[in-house]
Amino acid sequence: RKEVEQDPGPFNVPEGATVAFNCTYSNSASQSFFWYRQDCRKEPKLLMSVYSSGNEDGRFTAQLNRASQYISLLIRDSKLSDSATYLCVVNSNDMRFGAGTRLTVKP
Amino acid sequence: DTGVSQDPRHKITKRGQNVTFRCDPISEHNRLYWYRQTLGQGPEFLTYFQNEAQLEKSRLLSDRFSAERPKGSFSTLEIQRTEQGDSAMYLCASSTGDRAPYEQYFGPGTRLTVT
Repeated sequence: RKEVEQDPGPFNVPEGATVAFNCTYSNSASQSFFWYRQDCRKEPKLLMSVYSSGNEDGRFTAQLNRASQYISLLIRDSKLSDSATYLCVVNSNDMRFGAGTRLTVKP
Repeated sequence: DTGVSQDPRHKITKRGQNVTFRCDPISEHNRLYWYRQTLGQGPEFLTYFQNEAQLEKSRLLSDRFSAERPKGSFSTLEIQRTEQGDSAMYLCASSTGDRAPYEQYFGPGTRLTVT
């Protein structure tokens, strides 16, 4: 079993849609959690850290469920510019990345 | 530009040759990380430094790979006797080590092609 698992997608949604990504992790001792986005042939860029109480940044909401070892990212009112691969990242002693979920937002 | 920089951006080499990549982290960051990424996969952790000390090294890192950070600033990653399976994007990231959650910021990567 992979340490961090994500649905690879692809998710194809129309502009304005709400889309949710899920991620599960296996190491219960994990301490920090993040979502990164990665555009094609570019480096990953930090989207947001994920806190135990859940957190929101504009159209983006992240949730953490430690009991179920589950992280989610919700994107509301999706834009064409949201098209990218979204990487779930879990930090215990080192950063473990999921393989990413690909999102395409269409006009 | 105060972000993470990497050099070169692209490297094509023949199998069996040695290559070296450089990473310059964000200046106030004392942690530096190396990752490898292949198509369709997330970045795979290789090693990390806190200042000049190499604190962790992935079991996946063969003895052909070596990394240094001699003065706690820039770092180099060397691959000896390259193999075709080493073809990948090599990413460097840096973070502060002062407080969690230790958010990492990535450089643009060095794309290695071994022919």
